[in-house]
Amino acid sequence: GESVGLHLPTLSVQEGDNSIINCAYSNSASDYFIWYKQESGKGPQFIIDIRSNMDKRQGQRVTVLLNKTVKHLSLQIAATQPGDSAVYFCALGASGTYKYIFGTGTRLKVLA
Amino acid sequence: DTAVSQTPKYLVTQMGNDKSIKCEQNLGHDTMYWYKQDSKKFLKIMFSYNNKELIINETVPNRFSPKSPDKAHLNLHINSLELGDSAVYFCASSRNTGELFFGEGSRLTVL
Repeated sequence: GESVGLHLPTLSVQEGDNSIINCAYSNSASDYFIWYKQESGKGPQFIIDIRSNMDKRQGQRVTVLLNKTVKHLSLQIAATQPGDSAVYFCALGASGTYKYIFGTGTRLKVLA
Repeated sequence: DTAVSQTPKYLVTQMGNDKSIKCEQNLGHDTMYWYKQDSKKFLKIMFSYNNKELIINETVPNRFSPKSPDKAHLNLHINSLELGDSAVYFCASSRNTGELFFGEGSRLTVL
């Protein structure tokens, strides 16, 4: 069966430091990977995505790394700010399907 | 200007009642979804519609009946509500198999 897991349920980071949130998956058919940020009382918001033909993609202060060999995905946030405090989800999709499987979520706490 | 809007935002009701949640998207997307988020923040897909056709039904009890009158709307009707139905329900949409755009959620509390 499919499973998506995260190594850490809660991550506390000092303001200004870099954050790394990890996601492990098991379904080899997954070829589209998305990171979402969910703030309290709101719906998940798209941060960045990556397809399986890439191993790295960068956005503004965020980088997603994909290691298909070990089925591992990570989100790196540079210079973490208080506004980055939220729950982060990885989500997996597969070509030709409309089914996105979400990971269990990691709560990021930014310490002042 | 809200891309994906759902109503109501909060819903408190008694066990056994029937309730509906409505969702509309103005993004021109072809695919819409309902996700359920439990108290531990776990997000689980329930249904997906593509061009008004049901394409995913994740073994959701048949007390839950989605309806898509057109591509821009996907409503969720729940019969005979149970305590375990208490959760936040999120509507989402996507263009084909691109990223999901979520609504703000509808928090359902069953007493």
